[in-house]
Amino acid sequence: EVQLVESGGDLVQPGGSLKLSCAASGFTVNSNYLSWVRQAPGKGLEWVSVIYIDGSTYYADSMKGRFTISRDSSENTLFLQMNSLRSEDTAVYYCARGLMGTPLASDIWGQGTMVTVSS
Amino acid sequence: EIVMTQSPATLSVSPGERATLSCRASQSVSRSLAWYQQKPGQAPRLLMYGAFTRATGIPARFSGSGSGTEFTLTISSLQSEDFAVYYCQQYNNWPLTFGGGTKVEIK
Repeated sequence: EVQLVESGGDLVQPGGSLKLSCAASGFTVNSNYLSWVRQAPGKGLEWVSVIYIDGSTYYADSMKGRFTISRDSSENTLFLQMNSLRSEDTAVYYCARGLMGTPLASDIWGQGTMVTVSS
Repeated sequence: EIVMTQSPATLSVSPGERATLSCRASQSVSRSLAWYQQKPGQAPRLLMYGAFTRATGIPARFSGSGSGTEFTLTISSLQSEDFAVYYCQQYNNWPLTFGGGTKVEIK
């Protein structure tokens, strides 16, 4: 079964760091575009970052320099390292797989992991 | 950044009726437009991509149209499982951006 399972969400203080994981099954992370999308409580969707098959990465402006997307083929897992966290980073973070042929539209989503930034 | 504006914010529709959702881009995104459905407590689900191509498993009552800056998602005859929030997303320019969503509720 094709599936994504996120983990690593937690309560963290402002200025702190957190690393999210997204374990893939049924496909390989190296052969697909993978994104992180977040949703603040009661709000809409916000794209965070994407990693291409060739390893290129892109970020939303407010995350540049603070967040880093990466993947590990041996673990078949996607990661999001988040540093210098702010209260406005509080959200459910989803990982998502790019659709074959239209990789910036996402056809498979994880269930999400909650990140709360608060003192 | 391309701003995606969805209207209306809330749409009240009776089961069996037609629903028409709009999405406007602040500049042309060609046909690089996707629609997602999200139910409470669930992840988004891809409905349409390329403005009018249904994703795998999406019923034919869902249809998309438009190009450039104006897009429409139509649900021809609303079923109980269609009451949800719908988001458009452009993927023509960085950063990728979503609309604010349209909530389709039972009238």
